[in-house]
Amino acid sequence: NAGVTQTPKFQVLKTGQSMTLQCAQDMNHNSMYWYRQDPGMGLRLIYYSASEGTTDKGEVPNGYNVSRLNKREFSLRLESAAPSQTSVYFCASSDIRAPFMYGYTFGSGTRLTVV
Amino acid sequence: GESVGLHLPTLSVQEGDNSIINCAYSNSASDYFIWYKQESGKGPQFIIDIRSNMDKRQGQRVTVLLNKTVKHLSLQIAATQPGDSAVYFCAENMAFSGGYNKLIFGAGTRLAVHP
Repeated sequence: NAGVTQTPKFQVLKTGQSMTLQCAQDMNHNSMYWYRQDPGMGLRLIYYSASEGTTDKGEVPNGYNVSRLNKREFSLRLESAAPSQTSVYFCASSDIRAPFMYGYTFGSGTRLTVV
Repeated sequence: GESVGLHLPTLSVQEGDNSIINCAYSNSASDYFIWYKQESGKGPQFIIDIRSNMDKRQGQRVTVLLNKTVKHLSLQIAATQPGDSAVYFCAENMAFSGGYNKLIFGAGTRLAVHP
């Protein structure tokens, strides 16, 4: 049981390049999330998917797009990377069954540097 | 290298002492709270949770206290060990209709344990 798996773990991009961050969970969770984490800023929500087939913007969606490919997979795409998108990106998932318990399960993160 | 924890408030304690990490949350309607631990290079991991109908909950070496009057949450770690060194985040849950839950994270506190 792997939990939440993110790929790649590290990536360096040039300004203007595009890339897709992959996330998959094997816990049969309904909801999935993408966060970015910058020094001193805590976790900021980029996009989320409450259930398969739906996606919604979070706090900082500009410059990103997402796809909920199926119940297991939720990808994050940077169409034209900018240095301001240098960050650590975390994918998370959760079960919506009531009561809500244990919060989110996080992946180990993708460290992205845009030069 | 370490990117999480830069510019965050830091609590420095001696090994064996008790640690208290505090958190103020924002929404009086939040019904569920979680403390996460994030070690260097890893994603946040669940430590302990508490529901809004409780004031205190104890785990192994950890206790969470909830004061709803002043919207304050604290994490107490007994007999702090070097392995407790990490960034600690509190999170409050807001429940939406349809079963969707959203966690709002605090900025985090870095705990540094000295031998």
